[in-house]
Amino acid sequence: KAGVTQTPRYLIKTRGQQVTLSCSPISGHRSVSWYQQTPGQGLQFLFEYFSETQRNKGNFPGRFSGRQFSNSRSEMNVSTLELGDSALYLCASSGRDRGSADTQYFGPGTRLTVL
Amino acid sequence: GEDVEQSLFLSVREGDSSVINCTYTDSSSTYLYWYKQEPGAGLQLLTYIFSNMDMKQDQRLTVLLNKKDKHLSLRIADTQTGDSAIYFCAETSNQAGTALIFGKGTTLSVSS
Repeated sequence: KAGVTQTPRYLIKTRGQQVTLSCSPISGHRSVSWYQQTPGQGLQFLFEYFSETQRNKGNFPGRFSGRQFSNSRSEMNVSTLELGDSALYLCASSGRDRGSADTQYFGPGTRLTVL
Repeated sequence: GEDVEQSLFLSVREGDSSVINCTYTDSSSTYLYWYKQEPGAGLQLLTYIFSNMDMKQDQRLTVLLNKKDKHLSLRIADTQTGDSAIYFCAETSNQAGTALIFGKGTTLSVSS
């Protein structure tokens, strides 16, 4: 099975711009979660989508948004970029496995740099 | 509230065992996970344990869970240089729903 893919892998933007990141989950997985990883704050949960609906949301401002399509692919958007948004953005997909855990499998991430 | 803590660094010699420790505060934790991150890469799932279990073994990896003390450990037997990476402990809980709550990560350095 192919793993989680994320595009693009690297992005450079300037303050005030907006950006869209894409994530394709493992085939058959219906849940996609997004995380932000920074040296200072570590790994923080942004939101989760399941069957095109946001099912869970972390503590991030409204500039961070996402959506999920009928094929389970997901995008996240960050508007009015700030320097502090520079981070590695990780996408994870999950589906029921034999242990009954909704184990999350991560993609390689998108490295966003805001100048 | 939810909080997961790990020691920041661990240095071992090749062939030794490594033990990475983690403590968590949410008593409603359901599953606890260990992920590995190599430089420039995403997170690789190593193993997980359900909160009603005490131990889980998977090849060179042994996970021990002390639910009373909210303490989780990952033991890597016969540590190799390829095991050098950052290891993250994470939990899900009834309170956080589907969100993974991560520790800050333990950097494991293996010398030959």
